[in-house]
Amino acid sequence: DAGVTQSPTHLIKTRGQQVTLRCSPKSGHDTVSWYQQALGQGPQFIFQYYEEEERQRGNFPDRFSGHQFPNYSSELNVNALLLGDSALYLCASSLSSRLLGTEAFFGQGTRLTVV
Amino acid sequence: RKEVEQDPGPFNVPEGATVAFNCTYSNSASQSFFWYRQDCRKEPKLLMSVYSSGNEDGRFTAQLNRASQYISLLIRDSKLSDSATYLCVVNPYGGGYQKVTFGTGTKLQVIP
Repeated sequence: DAGVTQSPTHLIKTRGQQVTLRCSPKSGHDTVSWYQQALGQGPQFIFQYYEEEERQRGNFPDRFSGHQFPNYSSELNVNALLLGDSALYLCASSLSSRLLGTEAFFGQGTRLTVV
Repeated sequence: RKEVEQDPGPFNVPEGATVAFNCTYSNSASQSFFWYRQDCRKEPKLLMSVYSSGNEDGRFTAQLNRASQYISLLIRDSKLSDSATYLCVVNPYGGGYQKVTFGTGTKLQVIP
């Protein structure tokens, strides 16, 4: 059973460019959340997708957008990259139908460096 | 006040020692709580959920104190392999919502 997979694992972009990160959730999961983790910090919630719609959003600008596909996989897009966007981007999947707040399973992350 | 606060450490403890971490949260309506472990440059992995009655998994014990709004993690008989960053996670919602808030993590270094 494949866990959460993310691609690419590493990426270097130039300031002002756009980037797309991809995530395939754990088999059977229907919800994907994206997090940004700067060095030495805990992950910060960006947004969550369920049923192909953005359900919740953290305090991130509109430059950060996403999409969820019918097979539950997801993309994170960041436009007009800034140096401060350099971070580890984590995707987490979970199953929304459970009554209690469920634990999330994380992918290995995409390390984005903006130069 | 931050939503979730942890002492960043590092906690340097000898092998075999007992170490405890606390994590405070500001939203009294928070629904569920977790401890995650994150190794250097790796993704976070669930260590254990934290239940109201407390729970134990081998050498690890998690407690929740709703009155004082903190959760704790106790590690007994520390092993070298326990060296990692421990992230406290608070979910303010029930019903499967995942807008969880992570603490900044507490770094543990177990020394031979």
